[in-house]
Amino acid sequence: EDKVVQSPLSLVVHEGDTVTLNCSYEVTNFRSLLWYKQEKKAPTFLFMLTSSGIEKKSGRLSSILDKKELFSILNITATQTGDSAVYLCAVANQFYFGTGTSLTVIP
Amino acid sequence: DSGVTQTPKHLITATGQRVTLRCSPRSGDLSVYWYQQSLDQGLQFLIQYYNGEERAKGNILERFSAQQFPDLHSELNLSSLELGDSALYFCASSSQGGNSPLHFGNGTRLTVT
Repeated sequence: EDKVVQSPLSLVVHEGDTVTLNCSYEVTNFRSLLWYKQEKKAPTFLFMLTSSGIEKKSGRLSSILDKKELFSILNITATQTGDSAVYLCAVANQFYFGTGTSLTVIP
Repeated sequence: DSGVTQTPKHLITATGQRVTLRCSPRSGDLSVYWYQQSLDQGLQFLIQYYNGEERAKGNILERFSAQQFPDLHSELNLSSLELGDSALYFCASSSQGGNSPLHFGNGTRLTVT
């Protein structure tokens, strides 16, 4: 059975801290791994990773995929209160999602 | 704005009833996915359609069904509703399946009383 596991489930940090969110997976027909941020409503797309070892960056957020070990990490540096959200990892082909990591950034 | 439109935004109905949720994908996207998100739960994949054909099924109950029409909009039908069906139902679309990201609508909040 396809499985996507995220850790930790929940994280509380102070502004300015750096956080690392983990996503491991076991799926058939892997095509890509995606990260999403969900605040109050719809998840919004952050990154799509298809190749191992290539870092994707967007501002203070970055992500990397290890296809041999079947995991990905999402790093957020210099966290801000606006980063507070649930971060979801999904694996395509069928876009199975993990249960998410809830991040709370305290001023 | 993701370009994916879901209606209605909210739906309140009684147990045993049937409802239809509607989704219009982004212009040009052929794939539509439906997800259920219960309180404090992750996104549970229900079903995927590609250009009118069912492509994959997830944890979709037999009381639930979906279809994608020739104009590519999709409907999710939920029948014999139970209290446990109360959830946020998301539709998402993509242009190339697993090779392009999903873009989500704002969801339909279903409350079964």
